[in-house]
Amino acid sequence: AQRVTQPEKLLSVFKGAPVELKCNYSYSGSPELFWYVQYSRQRLQLLLRHISRESIKGFTADLNKGETSFHLKKPFAQEEDSAMYYCALSPNSGYSTLTFGKGTMLLVSP
Amino acid sequence: DVKVTQSSRYLVKRTGEKVFLECVQDMDHENMFWYRQDPGLGLRLIYFSYDVKMKEKGDIPEGYSVSREKKERFSLILESASTNQTSMYLCASRTPWENTEAFFGQGTRLTVV
Repeated sequence: AQRVTQPEKLLSVFKGAPVELKCNYSYSGSPELFWYVQYSRQRLQLLLRHISRESIKGFTADLNKGETSFHLKKPFAQEEDSAMYYCALSPNSGYSTLTFGKGTMLLVSP
Repeated sequence: DVKVTQSSRYLVKRTGEKVFLECVQDMDHENMFWYRQDPGLGLRLIYFSYDVKMKEKGDIPEGYSVSREKKERFSLILESASTNQTSMYLCASRTPWENTEAFFGQGTRLTVV
């Protein structure tokens, strides 16, 4: 069975500070990994996926298979980054279910 | 603009009532999901469906059932609502292909009194 662990419930930083939201996973195969974000009063939406290797809103995430981690990083946090962030894993199969971590609330103060 | 629409934003029901939560997607996605979202517990999968009339249990199916009579519609049913089913319920849809995005509805906040 797959599992996603986000060790921090809350991460509070000042504007301009670097941010790292941690995500560790357990899965026997080669998973698909994602970060989803939920801004206040908005629906949950995709932020980025590991396969794309892209930077979205200044966020990046690198898959480290050796450490089974997929940490989300941003060098300079902005107030508008304040939101709930969920790391998610999908097994490589046609069912494509998503297993989510418990989420990390990021608060960026001015 | 792709859409997953849940029929109600807020619901208040009494203990023991049968409750229906409806979800419709307009993207012709094969896979649809129901999650519940609770503070400190994240999103937990209740049921999913990979085709019309097909369903699979997720991690917490007890007390719930689902129905998928048409490809675009996936219903979550609480057979006899209980107070511990008070939660935010999220519907999602996704293609079965690799690394594709799941699209979520706006959520239904259900309160059972």
